[in-house]
Amino acid sequence: QVQLQESGPGLVKPSETLSLICTVSGGSVSSGSYYWNWIRQPPGTGLEWIGHIYYNGSTNYNPSLKSRVTISADTSKNQFSLKLSSVTTADTAVYYCARDGVAGLAYFQHWGQGTLVTVSS
Amino acid sequence: EIVLTQSPDFQSVTPKEKVTITCRASQSIGSSLHWYQQKPDQSPKLLIKYASQSFSGVPSRFSGSGSGTDFTLTINSLEAEDAATYYCHQSYSLPRTFGQGTEVEIK
Repeated sequence: QVQLQESGPGLVKPSETLSLICTVSGGSVSSGSYYWNWIRQPPGTGLEWIGHIYYNGSTNYNPSLKSRVTISADTSKNQFSLKLSSVTTADTAVYYCARDGVAGLAYFQHWGQGTLVTVSS
Repeated sequence: EIVLTQSPDFQSVTPKEKVTITCRASQSIGSSLHWYQQKPDQSPKLLIKYASQSFSGVPSRFSGSGSGTDFTLTINSLEAEDAATYYCHQSYSLPRTFGQGTEVEIK
C-alpha cells in the first residue's frame, strides 16, 4: 500500500521560498509510470493542482504558478519535493502530495495527510 | 484550462434523503471525471472514478453518472457520516482542475 507523508516548515516569510518534501513508502517515485503530484487548499476553500513529476523526471505545472514552482525528485531517498518562490499570504494553504491510482493521467488515489504552511512575517 | 462548475454550493439534507450533486465541464472530457469526499481536517478520499466506477470500499449508496460535459454524483439514503464537502476533478487534460466543491450538511 502506497503511503505519502509531507514535511517541511509550517511558517514561511513573505517573498521567501516555500520548500516541502513528500516521502513515499510502499512504492517507488522512479518506476511504474506514475505521476507524483502536489495539490494545495487555502483555508476554507477548494483544491488547486500545483503540478506533478513523472516517474521519468519530466514535470508539468499549473500555468497560474508555473513561474514560481519547481518539483523535483530524489530517487535515492524515494522522495519528491516542492519549491514555491516569492510567496505571499495568498500561498497560505494546506499542501498535499498525492499519486495517481493507475499509470498516466488519472484519479488521485493516494494522498498524504497534508501540511499547513502559513505565509506571515 | 477546463473549468468544472458544481451545483449546488451547499445542501442541507435530512438523513435517508437522496442527494444529487452536478458537475459541468467547460468542454467535453469524455469520462475522465472523478469524485472525492473531504471531511474537515482530512485529506480528500476517492469515491468514484471515470464518472461511474465505484472505488473499492466505498458504500454502495454512492454512485456516479454522466459523460461529455455533464456529470452527477448521487448519494442514496444519506447517512450522518456523509456530512462532508464533495469535489469533482478532471484528468482529461492539463492543468488538472477541480470543481469548487459542494458542502453537504446533515439537518
